[in-house]
Amino acid sequence: AQSVTQLGSHVSVSEGALVLLRCNYSSSVPPYLFWYVQYPNQGLQLLLKYTSAATLVKGINDFEAEFKKSETSFHLTKPSAHMSDAAEYFCAVKDNAGNMLTFGGGTRLMVKP
Amino acid sequence: DGGITQSPKYLFRKEGQNVTLSCEQNLNHDAMYWYRQDPGQGLRLIYYSQIVNDFQKGDIAEGYSVSREKKESFPLTVTSAQKNPTAFYLCASSRGQAPTEAFFGQGTRLTVV
Repeated sequence: AQSVTQLGSHVSVSEGALVLLRCNYSSSVPPYLFWYVQYPNQGLQLLLKYTSAATLVKGINDFEAEFKKSETSFHLTKPSAHMSDAAEYFCAVKDNAGNMLTFGGGTRLMVKP
Repeated sequence: DGGITQSPKYLFRKEGQNVTLSCEQNLNHDAMYWYRQDPGQGLRLIYYSQIVNDFQKGDIAEGYSVSREKKESFPLTVTSAQKNPTAFYLCASSRGQAPTEAFFGQGTRLTVV
């Protein structure tokens, strides 16, 4: 069974600082990986996805993530945090045999002025 | 515009009552999903359907029921057997084949009064 672990349920950064949200997965086969963002009382929006092409994936709003098979990681980064980035972020995995997404527990990002 | 529509946005239920949450999509997606979201617990899968007239239980199906009579509709009924139904419910759909992502509705917040 596949699973996703997001280290740190809350992350706080200053505006303009680097954002790093951690995601590790376990899967018996090379997975497909996704990052979603959720603003309060809304659904999830896709930030980016890894589908076995380039290991460095660029998404919307200057977010990017790097797939590292040796570390089973797919950490999300952004060079410079903006106040509007404050939200909850979810990492998710889907194996190439199934159709279901398995989500991590989420990380709430807070951005300080 | 294509998308997923959940209704209502807010729903109040008395103890012992069944309530039905609506989810409609016009993306022509085969697969549809229901997730429950509680603070600090991420998203947990309730039911999913990969094709019309077929659906499977997810991780927390007890106290819930679904139907999939039409491709575009996947309503969720929260029955009186669900002991703690207060939560945020998210519906999603996807083309059903990895590595495609899931698209989410805006959610329904259910509160038991």
